[in-house]
Amino acid sequence: ETGVTQTPRHLVMGMTNKKSLKCEQHLGHNAMYWYKQSAKKPLELMFVYNFKEQTENNSVPSRFSPECPNSSHLFLHLHTLQPEDSALYLCASSQERSYEQYFGPGTRLTVT
Amino acid sequence: GENVEQHPSTLSVQEGDSAVIKCTYSDSASNYFPWYKQELGKRPQLIIDIRSNVGEKKDQRIAVTLNKTAKHFSLHITETQPEDSAVYFCAASDRNSGGSNYKLTFGKGTLLTVNP
Repeated sequence: ETGVTQTPRHLVMGMTNKKSLKCEQHLGHNAMYWYKQSAKKPLELMFVYNFKEQTENNSVPSRFSPECPNSSHLFLHLHTLQPEDSALYLCASSQERSYEQYFGPGTRLTVT
Repeated sequence: GENVEQHPSTLSVQEGDSAVIKCTYSDSASNYFPWYKQELGKRPQLIIDIRSNVGEKKDQRIAVTLNKTAKHFSLHITETQPEDSAVYFCAASDRNSGGSNYKLTFGKGTLLTVNP
């Protein structure tokens, strides 16, 4: 698959579990983003990475821990989540000095 | 920070009619305004965008207008078709404080339904 990919596409986890979401971009971009999309809410920016360096943390709870080992891969490590964290988590990427962001298909997360 | 308001939250039109979705933004420094379309179960995809140095941009049945003075921009879809049914998000962008990339602040979305 080209563009931006995310795995898994669906995830159900208990509040005591630890899991990770993965994002990979095949576009040669240098910036990657995590967004949270909940019902009836706007897309909420969580984290921004630029050349592997975190440049934005939008007051996200510490139970969400991002990792960006290189410009093509982005992870979101999850632990001790709450039911209200259930949402669609979208990854996006963009090229330096470019406005346009390309989104992945998202991971539908359900916390039980 | 930037705040983007989007109206209406739902919009239902008959096939062939026009649809207009409006957004306002708060930060006068914002200079890029994209519109994304998200079909059910799919990823958001950019459909049109406009930069602050122009007032209007058109691409076939889709157009976007920008009023910088009033800080609002609108999406216009003419001759709507059932496949236009989706959630549409507006966004405003300014430079990410940490680097040379841009941060998007999104509106809450408009669910557009085009009835055949």
